[in-house]
Amino acid sequence: GAVVSQHPSWVICKSGTSVKIECRSLDFQATTMFWYRQFPKQSLMLMATSNEGSKATYEQGVEKDKFLINHASLTLSTLTVTSAHPEDSSFYICSARPLAGGWSEQFFGPGTRLTVL
Amino acid sequence: GDSVTQMEGPVTLSEEAFLTINCTYTATGYPSLFWYVQYPGEGLQLLLKATKADDKGSNKGFEATYRKETTSFHLEKGSVQVSDSAVYFCALDGGSQGNLIFGKGTKLSVKP
Repeated sequence: GAVVSQHPSWVICKSGTSVKIECRSLDFQATTMFWYRQFPKQSLMLMATSNEGSKATYEQGVEKDKFLINHASLTLSTLTVTSAHPEDSSFYICSARPLAGGWSEQFFGPGTRLTVL
Repeated sequence: GDSVTQMEGPVTLSEEAFLTINCTYTATGYPSLFWYVQYPGEGLQLLLKATKADDKGSNKGFEATYRKETTSFHLEKGSVQVSDSAVYFCALDGGSQGNLIFGKGTKLSVKP
């Protein structure tokens, strides 16, 4: 089946530093990748939609200057949390929609646990 | 906007017990409905889906029927196993970008 990887799987950083999270589709090409955020005992909330070669579309309330998204190829999207603060600590999950897939078909990465001290 | 409500967990069952996890939704259109499962340390995996009213999705002994009249998509399994222990998410494809809208997830623990 289609596999999506995320790297790193967990990261601990100091407040004020930036952290980059990679999302890769390993065996398919993805025109669209989604970035979700999951708080404890909460559902996954969409942060932004990333389309290859164009600017990401951010959901209301998500700071685009804080959460930088780059989708430079059909197999890689990155999320950079800039000047991270403890309130950014969360579980970040990406998903990828195959080039030849249906509108709502997507495959999920295992997630990245970010802890900001 | 569209939303999904699923029963709060955690749910703890003995092996071979019957499982029901309730899920209801609100949507302006006619979304497709999904159940995803997240095993410990892994990403979300599609368990089953239904694309229109009265469709039944099934996989690995799990079933869910798309009920338009009650706006529900309850997940059931007749006999759970320890290996079914995971977090289950109900979702619909109501997002404008094709993204999914999720419920909060229900953690299931099955004891031998």
